[in-house]
Amino acid sequence: KQEVTQIPAALSVPEGENLVLNCSFTDSAIYNLQWFRQDPGKGLTSLLLIQSSQREQTSGRLNASLDKSSGRSTLYIAASQPGDSATYLCAVANQAGTALIFGKGTTLSVSS
Amino acid sequence: DAGVTQSPTHLIKTRGQQVTLRCSPKSGHDTVSWYQQALGQGPQFIFQYYEEEERQRGNFPDRFSGHQFPNYSSELNVNALLLGDSALYLCASSLYVNTEAFFGQGTRLTVV
Repeated sequence: KQEVTQIPAALSVPEGENLVLNCSFTDSAIYNLQWFRQDPGKGLTSLLLIQSSQREQTSGRLNASLDKSSGRSTLYIAASQPGDSATYLCAVANQAGTALIFGKGTTLSVSS
Repeated sequence: DAGVTQSPTHLIKTRGQQVTLRCSPKSGHDTVSWYQQALGQGPQFIFQYYEEEERQRGNFPDRFSGHQFPNYSSELNVNALLLGDSALYLCASSLYVNTEAFFGQGTRLTVV
């Protein structure tokens, strides 16, 4: 059974700092991996999608990497801003691509 | 592009009642998935619909059922509500399977 773990559970940083969020999964037979952002009480906003054949994806200040063999992904946020404060969720798609399995998320707080 | 829309945004029901939640997928998308998110947890996969059929189901009881209409919109029905069904219910759409999932803002269900 696929399990997704995100470390740390919470993170507080001052504005301008670069930071890394970690995601690990137990079964390397995934179809893709997606990172999401969730503001309190809201839905999920897709940040980056990495197909299983890819190693990384970049969007603006965000860079996500994927190492399927070790079951790890990282989300790198450059020059953090207070508006980046949210919960970041990592999800892996099962091999059939029909279901996303989520971690519990990392809650990020960026202070000005 | 309206994105994924869900209705209603909030709902309060009494134990034992039945509830129907609705979802309209992002324009051009044909696959709809439903997730349940308890407070402080990552979303849990309920089921996925494609071509009006349930393609895969997560570990949820038969009290949870769904439907997809010819216009790709979808409904989630929950019968005999329990207090533990209180959660944020999220709808996600994608183009077929195995592609980037886009989420709606969710329906907050409270069972009293």
